[in-house]
Amino acid sequence: GQQVMQIPQYQHVQEGEDFTTYCNSSTTLSNIQWYKQRPGGHPVFLIQLVKSGEVKKQKRLTFQFGEAKKNSSLHITATQTTDVGTYFCAGPPYNTDKLIFGTGTRLQVFP
Amino acid sequence: DSGVTQTPKHLITATGQRVTLRCSPRSGDLSVYWYQQSLDQGLQFLIQYYNGEERAKGNILERFSAQQFPDLHSELNLSSLELGDSALYFCASSAQTGLNTEAFFGQGTRLTVV
Repeated sequence: GQQVMQIPQYQHVQEGEDFTTYCNSSTTLSNIQWYKQRPGGHPVFLIQLVKSGEVKKQKRLTFQFGEAKKNSSLHITATQTTDVGTYFCAGPPYNTDKLIFGTGTRLQVFP
Repeated sequence: DSGVTQTPKHLITATGQRVTLRCSPRSGDLSVYWYQQSLDQGLQFLIQYYNGEERAKGNILERFSAQQFPDLHSELNLSSLELGDSALYFCASSAQTGLNTEAFFGQGTRLTVV
């Protein structure tokens, strides 16, 4: 079946360090979306990328969509304690309406 | 506030029982998704409805069923409950099935089967 894997599963960083999570899909995706789930909360949409090779930035966050539309990455520069949470990528495989979520990367930031 | 309302917030029930979880999507959203999130796990896609019709199915057990009503609210029915069904169940809505739009999640229903 369709799988979307993320690595690493967990990441602990010191505040101020950078962080990257990688997302890999077994099938080509129509688009890639990123969500953040704070502990005890619900997933909240961050961004969507549609085009092959697309790069978008949101302040300290940089998102990339791979050329083959099967992988993506999220990079956070100079992490802050407010970045704590689990980051999920998600996307619909081509010709489906399913929104499949990745396995998630849990980020812990130590002050 | 995402605009998606899920009730109840918490539910405790015994094995073998049946429960119904309810979701009201954001105003104007035609698409509703259901996800299951077990403790510290990812989001497992269960099923999606669009304007009252089933549009996509994930790894949803036969004991589970869902529907979307004419007013666009959706219900997820879980029957013959087992201990392993204990999880957080999320509903999300989006404007269209093209999925070039974001999904808005409700606060979730935490189901505990004892």
